[in-house]
Amino acid sequence: DTGVSQNPRHKITKRGQNVTFRCDPISEHNRLYWYRQTLGQGPEFLTYFQNEAQLEKSRLLSDRFSAERPKGSFSTLEIQRTEQGDSAMYLCASSSWTGSLNTIYFGEGSWLTVV
Amino acid sequence: KQEVTQIPAALSVPEGENLVLNCSFTDSAIYNLQWFRQDPGKGLTSLLLIQSSQREQTSGRLNASLDKSSGRSTLYIAASQPGDSATYLCAVRRGAQKLVFGQGTRLTINP
Repeated sequence: DTGVSQNPRHKITKRGQNVTFRCDPISEHNRLYWYRQTLGQGPEFLTYFQNEAQLEKSRLLSDRFSAERPKGSFSTLEIQRTEQGDSAMYLCASSSWTGSLNTIYFGEGSWLTVV
Repeated sequence: KQEVTQIPAALSVPEGENLVLNCSFTDSAIYNLQWFRQDPGKGLTSLLLIQSSQREQTSGRLNASLDKSSGRSTLYIAASQPGDSATYLCAVRRGAQKLVFGQGTRLTINP
């Protein structure tokens, strides 16, 4: 169990460029979540997968954002035509359904700065 | 819509003190509540998870309580240490999906 892994940890991009973040959840965790956190705020939910199925998307996830989990293992979050307002930390988390013991574990996050 | 509030937003205490962080939520129909720690620029580390049927959970110097009917949780830290300095976040979960977070309490323990 190596924990939730996120790459890259930091990304600086010019406005209008596309960026992609990758998340590798804890092995055998069937649930995967993406959150966004801006400075001084708590994380906000973006989307959630159970296995490869994307079951819920927040209104925060505009049409410039797309998330996939093709084989029910790792996930990618792509932001197209980045805007300065997209600058934030993007957090990935995973959990498993084992009765009532379903603590959600977070990765170290991917910082995005749009200049 | 579930809203989570944490008070105070920031707290500074001398080393060795016992302290309490507060979390309140508006919708008592929660599945569980989780407390996290976040160091600057880092991800979240899970500290304690309390199921909706439980009243409290303990881990080392940390004790978290849950009063679902009143929509409140507290995180008690005993004998605080400088290494406890971080932002503490509470989050509630409705159903099996997303967490709704408070804004956090930024804790500073002064040596």
